[in-house]
Amino acid sequence: QKEVEQNSGPLSVPEGAIASLNCTYSDRVSQSFFWYRQYSGKSPELIMSIYSNGDKEDGRFTAQLNKASQYVSLLIRDSQPSDSATYLCAVKRTDRGSTLGRLYFGRGTQLTVWP
Amino acid sequence: SQTIHQWPATLVQPVGSPLSLECTVEGTSNPNLYWYRQAAGRGLQLLFYSVGIGQISSEVPQNLSASRPQDRQFILSSKKLLLSDSGFYLCACPLPTGSDNYGYTFGSGTRLTVV
Repeated sequence: QKEVEQNSGPLSVPEGAIASLNCTYSDRVSQSFFWYRQYSGKSPELIMSIYSNGDKEDGRFTAQLNKASQYVSLLIRDSQPSDSATYLCAVKRTDRGSTLGRLYFGRGTQLTVWP
Repeated sequence: SQTIHQWPATLVQPVGSPLSLECTVEGTSNPNLYWYRQAAGRGLQLLFYSVGIGQISSEVPQNLSASRPQDRQFILSSKKLLLSDSGFYLCACPLPTGSDNYGYTFGSGTRLTVV
């Protein structure tokens, strides 16, 4: 879907390295941004959310948001083989005057962390 | 916290046959509910969303329909399946208690193969 685009990958990094995942979005009114992890054959699970410009850290994960550039990224420090999965970027759009939001996803970036 | 139940987990159906996938939510009342499909190489695509009983919005025109007969039940249907309907169907609900201020949680999904 063109509204949310991710670096296509696949991305392969050695254990202990930093993995960098990038995402751009087209809708300037989007306010909420999310990163999901999806293991093969499983449903996505939410790992990070970010709403304000700047960095947000949670353990080994750091999300970065730049609304002016319409850019979101996810850094995974000290990557582990268990981090091997597809990472999905999602952008929430809420229509003005409505409380209903809709999440739009990128196609995902497949990450492999090798020992 | 809420739990989303989906069934069946896997389904193989012939072209032209009908379809009914069910999603039931526990632990919350009157949540916004969403149906997504993940087809090979296309990422997560929003199909339908609902703010309450009998209220359905379609995101894209397609061969599918949705219904919400009860507060916590969301059903995806088709009268005649096409090969292009194959995919991983996921039901989603906002976190943490039906509020739409956060990301979504997903059910375990139904993998549909149309043959």
